[in-house]
Amino acid sequence: QVQLLQSGAEVKKPGASVKVSCMASGYTFTAFYIHWVRQAPGQRLEWMGWINPSTGDTKHAQNFQGRVTMTRDTSISTAYMELSRLRSDDTAIYFCAREGYCTNGVCLHWFDPWGQGTLVTVSS
Amino acid sequence: EIVLTQSPATLSVSPGERATLSCRASQSVNNYLAWYQQKPGQAPRLLIYDTSSRATGIPARFSGSGSGTDFTLTISSLEPEDFALYYCHQRTNWPITFGQGTRLEIK
Repeated sequence: QVQLLQSGAEVKKPGASVKVSCMASGYTFTAFYIHWVRQAPGQRLEWMGWINPSTGDTKHAQNFQGRVTMTRDTSISTAYMELSRLRSDDTAIYFCAREGYCTNGVCLHWFDPWGQGTLVTVSS
Repeated sequence: EIVLTQSPATLSVSPGERATLSCRASQSVNNYLAWYQQKPGQAPRLLIYDTSSRATGIPARFSGSGSGTDFTLTISSLEPEDFALYYCHQRTNWPITFGQGTRLEIK
């Protein structure tokens, strides 16, 4: 079945970088955008950006400009999100999600499925 | 940026009763609004898309309605597994945004 499997939890020091992976299975990886969304403790879901796995094109939310890099490796159907210059308020669960809810042969621009989430803790 | 405001923040309802959750947008999102359910330790799951269409496998007790800036998620008769966090989500305008969530708890 369609699935996104993310890498495990990370603990980082302020100022460091973290790279989270998201491996897709059950569908053609290059056919659907992958989005990244984070959820800080007690906060709403925050959209970070997307990558087009086919072309490598990306778009990022303003809040993350200059700090986030989204890449992909089509040979292993995996998308990556790297966040640099980490701060304590970057502590959050990071999710990847496919932009492509498909029903009755039609695929729509909603997020489905999501990865299981990766907890990133930033602490000195 | 379109701001989505959900109300109430927490809703206490007894099993078997109806729950009504609200999502208000700071400007029109047409009908490009979705609802997700999130249980502790899990990823969000798509419930409703395009305001009122149920995603595959979602029980008929879940329904969505609304237009423009005001939207509602209704759960007609609550089952124990429905007690969770619910988020609304728009993708009409960039950036994509989510509501702050409504926690549905057992009364």
